[in-house]
Amino acid sequence: DTGVSQDPRHKITKRGQNVTFRCDPISEHNRLYWYRQTLGQGPEFLTYFQNEAQLEKSRLLSDRFSAERPKGSFSTLEIQRTEQGDSAMYLCASSVPSGEPQETQYFGPGTRLLVL
Amino acid sequence: AQKVTQAQTEISVVEKEDVTLDCVYETRDTTYYLFWYKQPPSGELVFLIRRNSFDEQNEISGRYSWNFQKSTSSFNFTITASQVVDSAVYFCALSGETGANNLFFGTGTRLTVIP
Repeated sequence: DTGVSQDPRHKITKRGQNVTFRCDPISEHNRLYWYRQTLGQGPEFLTYFQNEAQLEKSRLLSDRFSAERPKGSFSTLEIQRTEQGDSAMYLCASSVPSGEPQETQYFGPGTRLLVL
Repeated sequence: AQKVTQAQTEISVVEKEDVTLDCVYETRDTTYYLFWYKQPPSGELVFLIRRNSFDEQNEISGRYSWNFQKSTSSFNFTITASQVVDSAVYFCALSGETGANNLFFGTGTRLTVIP
């Protein structure tokens, strides 16, 4: 399977714990995106990487959230001191430059987080 | 600011009926892109179509068709002869010149096709 993969698919944690999610983009896709989707809502943009550089962060990305993409391949999203409001589906997407201002983003299956 | 409105929260149709999902968008950008994604129960967003603001031609792909009308800021999606496998949440999304790498999603329309 050459699509975007995410690990784990499900995570249950207790409030106050740290969690880390991983995303492996489609190979040769140099752009990677993180989104958060709460129940009944559409995904909301969190952050975006081009290769290893984090170029954009949403106001939704509080100080407790940090994302990295150290070698320009896979990415991790860490949430420190989790809160119940962090419960959501965390989606990763990747894209490859197409010569147009906006590329098509291809999404992974998501990591569903539940904070107790 | 970019905004996408999908006024239909849930739609139920009987198999083989046609169904249209509405999408209305707001943007001040001259150049923008519109997308439709399908989210089946498994959770993965599946890309369906992308249009840019300069291409108002309607598009048909099998049982799927899209009607883009800049005059009404709408990008509607029609499924002809619906099937049970079409049951999913469908999202319309927009990206523009500002925040070009962000997709702004609507709240989605849950389609249930009853056999």
